[in-house]
Amino acid sequence: DVKVTQSSRYLVKRTGEKVFLECVQDMDHENMFWYRQDPGLGLRLIYFSYDVKMKEKGDIPEGYSVSREKKERFSLILESASTNQTSMYLCASSLLARKQETQYFGPGTRLLVL
Amino acid sequence: AQSVAQPEDQVNVAEGNPLTVKCTYSVSGNPYLFWYVQYPNRGLQFLLKYITGDNLVKGSYGFEAEFNKSQTSFHLKKPSALVSDSALYFCAVRDETDSWGKLQFGAGTQVVVTP
Repeated sequence: DVKVTQSSRYLVKRTGEKVFLECVQDMDHENMFWYRQDPGLGLRLIYFSYDVKMKEKGDIPEGYSVSREKKERFSLILESASTNQTSMYLCASSLLARKQETQYFGPGTRLLVL
Repeated sequence: AQSVAQPEDQVNVAEGNPLTVKCTYSVSGNPYLFWYVQYPNRGLQFLLKYITGDNLVKGSYGFEAEFNKSQTSFHLKKPSALVSDSALYFCAVRDETDSWGKLQFGAGTQVVVTP
């Protein structure tokens, strides 16, 4: 079975702090994704990566950056956290080879920015 | 551009009754369609997907979905709902013409199954 893990289930940070969210997958997937989930808005794509050191902006990249130094690990960085970044963050991974491949999700990190 | 609509914020159903969660989509090319379920404080779990072929797709936990190209719909169904089916359900679409294969999610439908 595919396993996607996220470093924290819950985080509380203060405005202006630099925040790192880590995601690791164990299935040698090329694609990795970061979403944020907000009530009534569903999931919105922040960034994705299709290979090591490669990244592409999603629909809402402002205020975020990402890092992918190893194939299995994809990090989301909030350079200076703000209260409007309080949300549930979900990481996902999938095979690149075919576009119909399923995305598999981690358990999520619920971030509260005070 | 691709988009997904889930017209109902919440669906209420009594245990044992049929459950339907609606989804309509818009894409430029042919769609790849997915349903996911999210239990409280958990990530999304894959239920089923339509890629091509038979319009009726069967998935996990007794769920199925019917692809209707003329109505651009992909409704999720279960013949007899269980209390344990209470969760948040997401429909998602991927356009075959999208070079990155990104998913577009609907806003989600909360399903409440009462005993």
